[in-house]
Amino acid sequence: QVQLVESGGGVVQPGGSLRLSCAASGFTFSTHAMHWVRQAPGKGLEWVALIWYDGSNNYYADSVKGRFAISRDNSKNTLYLQMSSLRADDTAVYYCARDPHMAGTTIDYWGQGTLVSVSS
Amino acid sequence: QSALTQPASVSGSPGQSITISCTGTSSDVGGYKYVSWYQQYPGKAPKLMIYEVSYRPSGVSNRFSGSKSGNTASLTISGLQAEDEADYYCSSYTSVNTGVFGGGTRLTVL
Repeated sequence: QVQLVESGGGVVQPGGSLRLSCAASGFTFSTHAMHWVRQAPGKGLEWVALIWYDGSNNYYADSVKGRFAISRDNSKNTLYLQMSSLRADDTAVYYCARDPHMAGTTIDYWGQGTLVSVSS
Repeated sequence: QSALTQPASVSGSPGQSITISCTGTSSDVGGYKYVSWYQQYPGKAPKLMIYEVSYRPSGVSNRFSGSKSGNTASLTISGLQAEDEADYYCSSYTSVNTGVFGGGTRLTVL
């Protein structure tokens, strides 16, 4: 079965950096686009970033463009989110999610999430 | 990248039907078939309930159905059950190759 396991969350100071990882299993990782989605405490879902199946195209929400970078290593079945210049409003649970297609369309499976807290 | 518009809350009694709307623009909901609906319980990850406007994934009850008219998509839950009480989110692909979610709707089963 599809499994997505995020790691790398934690507490970081404003202006700091953090890298999230997502280990994928139970499907052919290299044939699916992947997303990151976040949810601030008590708030709704916010789409963050998308990477195509082969890493050839990346797309970002305006709120993170220029600060976050999505990448993948298909040889390790792992998705990454490099976050820099972190702000208090980046505090959220970050979900790794699978797209059913090679290019971005929608999300069919979600990980359990990892909490990122930006605080001094 | 404005969020799609959903009602903040809806409610219904067991056995009744409810509909949650999701309004976007021709650059997202109205322009593409990639409209999905997710169910989320507190503290849990979202779960896909409807994809491509009206298709149900395997294992999702046929009490859940989706539709779209113009720039507005809808999720209907018939025969409401206590276990349906949760938050529901719509999402859409957009013309700038991004995703966008609705603000979420809290469903209360009275």
